[in-house]
Amino acid sequence: LAKTTQPISMDSYEGQEVNITCSHNNIATNDYITWYQQFPSQGPRFIIQGYKTKVTNEVASLFIPADRKSSTLSLPRVSLSDTAVYYCLVGDVDSNYQLIWGAGTKLIIKP
Amino acid sequence: DTGVSQDPRHKITKRGQNVTFRCDPISEHNRLYWYRQTLGQGPEFLTYFQNEAQLEKSRLLSDRFSAERPKGSFSTLEIQRTEQGDSAMYLCASSPPWGSYGYTFGSGTRLTVV
Repeated sequence: LAKTTQPISMDSYEGQEVNITCSHNNIATNDYITWYQQFPSQGPRFIIQGYKTKVTNEVASLFIPADRKSSTLSLPRVSLSDTAVYYCLVGDVDSNYQLIWGAGTKLIIKP
Repeated sequence: DTGVSQDPRHKITKRGQNVTFRCDPISEHNRLYWYRQTLGQGPEFLTYFQNEAQLEKSRLLSDRFSAERPKGSFSTLEIQRTEQGDSAMYLCASSPPWGSYGYTFGSGTRLTVV
């Protein structure tokens, strides 16, 4: 089983901020949180990675509370092109490749 | 460098035939991974190379599957005696030697076994 739990699907509208929460109650001390985005017929694309507090890049922000048992991916001002599946992974960065991926969150952006 | 390249993008084969896929990683990435993804599911790990050495193999990698990375650059994944259950997207990813800030995936090879 995957170490994470995410909503199966979410809907939002263009221009809105979208927050996708991932639960990882059994996160270990050495574990990082990584998010990927995947469009149909393409491979996943790395979005953001963090260990604690807040990480921001040009695409998204990642909020991690002090207990690290959950995390929230925040996508500002989404557009139709943000419609995709978003995966949350939790694991040691040196062995991330072995992680079990869940089904992700299918995000649908409406006009 | 244009990222991770996979060839072919699509492959249709008859059950029982052998197929081979190729992956060209980002040139400075010494780590290479193969995954399999079926519809509606996340990727499943198959195998991992560091340079030319195959360091990890998933139990999903049955004896009909073999992967190579002969010179530590490109890699091939071969499936012998294909079965309908092998129909999936086969993804290749690579990452640099200094630890991972995420992997770079290719666009995958879609295999259909008929």
